[in-house]
Amino acid sequence: SQQGEEDPQALSIQEGENATMNCSYKTSINNLQWYRQNSGRGLVHLILIRSNEREKHSGRLRVTLDTSKKSSSLLITASRAADTASYFCATDERGNKLVFGAGTILRVKS
Amino acid sequence: DVKVTQSSRYLVKRTGEKVFLECVQDMDHENMFWYRQDPGLGLRLIYFSYDVKMKEKGDIPEGYSVSREKKERFSLILESASTNQTSMYLCASSLLWGGQVFGPGTRLLVL
Repeated sequence: SQQGEEDPQALSIQEGENATMNCSYKTSINNLQWYRQNSGRGLVHLILIRSNEREKHSGRLRVTLDTSKKSSSLLITASRAADTASYFCATDERGNKLVFGAGTILRVKS
Repeated sequence: DVKVTQSSRYLVKRTGEKVFLECVQDMDHENMFWYRQDPGLGLRLIYFSYDVKMKEKGDIPEGYSVSREKKERFSLILESASTNQTSMYLCASSLLWGGQVFGPGTRLLVL
């Protein structure tokens, strides 16, 4: 199946630092979503950005979308140990059947 | 608090057994999904349902079937479990267009 690509695959930072994760996709979309998954748990929806939006904020999260480059980034500011998780982007390239990226594993050291 | 619940967090079954994984959502969502998640392979869609009694194959439907008799409940059935179906199974639901709400997952081990 198609999958978006995320980079980096893994990221390790100190508490208080910012974390940036990137996602690329292949075809046109209506929206792109970011999810978080804590170890061994289900995914939690973080934010949805529509194709006509360039930037969206939610608390310490900032998401950007560049449809011309078919890419998105997720910035977590002032990271905390509790932000340690895997982060996935997902697009609606196939309508309701989301296409998930492989994920970025974020580790925040306290 | 809206949520998706899955019948078991952990399940151990023997090869050849019939396995039922149940998923219930309380948000009146039209869409429901079953995924499996394996290390290095990410999330892969098994089946998708957009309405009661309606279903659509995902990317890896072989060896699985589903049932959606009521809007809130979506069941995944492994007709004859095999060891290569050992995995984490995730159920999700969503409105027509929007973010998906995931259940906590069922970790299935087939011996």
